[in-house]
Amino acid sequence: GQNIDQPTEMTATEGAIVQINCTYQTSGFNGLFWYQQHAGEAPTFLSYNVLDGLEEKGRFSSFLSRSKGYSYLLLKELQMKDSASYLCAVGNAGNMLTFGGGTRLMVKP
Amino acid sequence: GAVVSQHPSRVICKSGTSVKIECRSLDFQATTMFWYRQFPKQSLMLMATSNEGSKATYEQGVEKDKFLINHASLTLSTLTVTSAHPEDSSFYICSAALGAASNTEAFFGQGTRLTVV
Repeated sequence: GQNIDQPTEMTATEGAIVQINCTYQTSGFNGLFWYQQHAGEAPTFLSYNVLDGLEEKGRFSSFLSRSKGYSYLLLKELQMKDSASYLCAVGNAGNMLTFGGGTRLMVKP
Repeated sequence: GAVVSQHPSRVICKSGTSVKIECRSLDFQATTMFWYRQFPKQSLMLMATSNEGSKATYEQGVEKDKFLINHASLTLSTLTVTSAHPEDSSFYICSAALGAASNTEAFFGQGTRLTVV
């Protein structure tokens, strides 16, 4: 079966750093994706990890530990526009994605 | 990046009628597209995998006779919600990947907000 867990909501302050965790237990694994989704809009791709370690891309970084079934998304220098839902998704065979419940991040001034 | 276009973005229909949602890959060919459903404040749930030239693969609990999927060309997949009821009101999103490799980024359509009254 598939089980992907992430916190439901988080709040952080503008300019700060926030880490969104994701744990997964899946029958298949072809990498872990992070997507950002603003309310009423389609998700947009943020990052992809298939090997252990940290991938950095500007203000966003993503980490993966396959042995622990764990990933996190790190957002630095938070901006108000970063208020959104962040979706952790596990890639399965054939480009299929299984999504976690999403983490709604609220950035406050 | 690649573009996936979904139409319409919003639709309101009467209970009992059918609604067709289109998903097009504008600048690439997609042999496989995916249809997701999202309820308010919840994550995306995969409904079905649309395969060009063959029958769609539906996830457990999704009624294939209610959610008809047609993937007649390499750039177009359609989802038809038949005999819609208010409980079908939701946000429907399609996605397509550029290639077969597992690390291929999935591109999402803009989504369709369906309201059944």
